[in-house]
Amino acid sequence: GQNIDQPTEMTATEGAIVQINCTYQTSGFNGLFWYQQHAGEAPTFLSYNVLDGLEEKGRFSSFLSRSKGYSYLLLKELQMKDSASYLCAVRDSNYQLIWGAGTKLIIKP
Amino acid sequence: GAVVSQHPSWVICKSGTSVKIECRSLDFQATTMFWYRQFPKQSLMLMATSNEGSKATYEQGVEKDKFLINHASLTLSTLTVTSAHPEDSSFYICSAAVRQEGSSPLHFGNGTRLTVT
Repeated sequence: GQNIDQPTEMTATEGAIVQINCTYQTSGFNGLFWYQQHAGEAPTFLSYNVLDGLEEKGRFSSFLSRSKGYSYLLLKELQMKDSASYLCAVRDSNYQLIWGAGTKLIIKP
Repeated sequence: GAVVSQHPSWVICKSGTSVKIECRSLDFQATTMFWYRQFPKQSLMLMATSNEGSKATYEQGVEKDKFLINHASLTLSTLTVTSAHPEDSSFYICSAAVRQEGSSPLHFGNGTRLTVT
């Protein structure tokens, strides 16, 4: 079956760096997405990786290793507003999006 | 950027009534829209894929007669929850991609919180 694993919850300190990991086992691979979802709101798109390596977007970076079925989202200079759930999603060979359960990130002052 | 508008943001209805949720792509045409449901502290669950001008494709376990989907134009899809029951209370979110290609992310509406009393 298809499976995406992420930690359920993580805690970090304001101003610090945090890495949220995602491992996946899917029927084919056509890209990996990271989304941010604040409580009670819809997800918003953060990043997309389809080739191995690091994609940087300001304070957020996302890394992909297709051979390992692994990705991470790196958040730098954490701000209180970064407290949210972070969802990892993989597009499979049928172009269907398979979603992880999300990682709830708690930022402490 | 691509904007998806969803209405209403929240609705409270009595058990047995029907509720219609609208999803519009404001600045692009969407031949395909996706309807998700999310229960508290759980991930997104795809309910159905809405195709403009044709029947929706429902995921396994989703009752097509209960969750009616209509995609009458390239910018509008509607989800009607018929004969709603308290267990249908959830957060319903629609989404669409600007282009039908692998790298095109889904853009989500703001969601509709449905409470059935």
